[in-house]
Amino acid sequence: DADVTQTPRNRITKTGKRIMLECSQTKGHDRMYWYRQDPGLGLRLIYYSFDVKDINKGEISDGYSVSRQAQAKFSLSLESAIPNQTALYFCATSGEKLFFGSGTQLSVL
Amino acid sequence: GQNIDQPTEMTATEGAIVQINCTYQTSGFNGLFWYQQHAGEAPTFLSYNVLDGLEEKGRFSSFLSRSKGYSYLLLKELQMKDSASYLCAVRPTSGGSYIPTFGRGTSLIVHP
Repeated sequence: DADVTQTPRNRITKTGKRIMLECSQTKGHDRMYWYRQDPGLGLRLIYYSFDVKDINKGEISDGYSVSRQAQAKFSLSLESAIPNQTALYFCATSGEKLFFGSGTQLSVL
Repeated sequence: GQNIDQPTEMTATEGAIVQINCTYQTSGFNGLFWYQQHAGEAPTFLSYNVLDGLEEKGRFSSFLSRSKGYSYLLLKELQMKDSASYLCAVRPTSGGSYIPTFGRGTSLIVHP
């Protein structure tokens, strides 16, 4: 089994729809992250959480929200999806180094 | 804040050696990572440097000079499967979060 599991792997949705991306990890780490990757722009941090009661905005949090349901679970929501949120999304967890999930390719039409 | 620069794209021949450079400016420094990412897949950990010098791990080596804000990833005996994006990430100490910031990645194309 993967250390970090993301669902879904692919999602196509329409502008204005609410979308939730889910992430779970079996590493036992307290720290979890959501990144977005766009061609030519690298990985950019959306939100991060250092424990269940700690949620922090990253550099590009506008239009997104998160929920840390348990140490192992960290979900990302797009309240009202827009086309420029089309991207590859990664969940990650860390001790000393980051472990990434397999990614979710999201397309907003 | 952090500023991380690496070349956008490099090409090399199978069996050759390639060096991918990364320069950075950061508020405090707590380590530099290299990750490999194949198209559409998750980044995977290659190396982590905290102290100056060269660390070798099989065909891959990573070098760090903290005084120069410089690192490189050296790939030897290139194979076709090494065609991927290589991400440099710096972990700053500013703000206390120690969260790595990524460069834009270097796309390496290995041709026969």
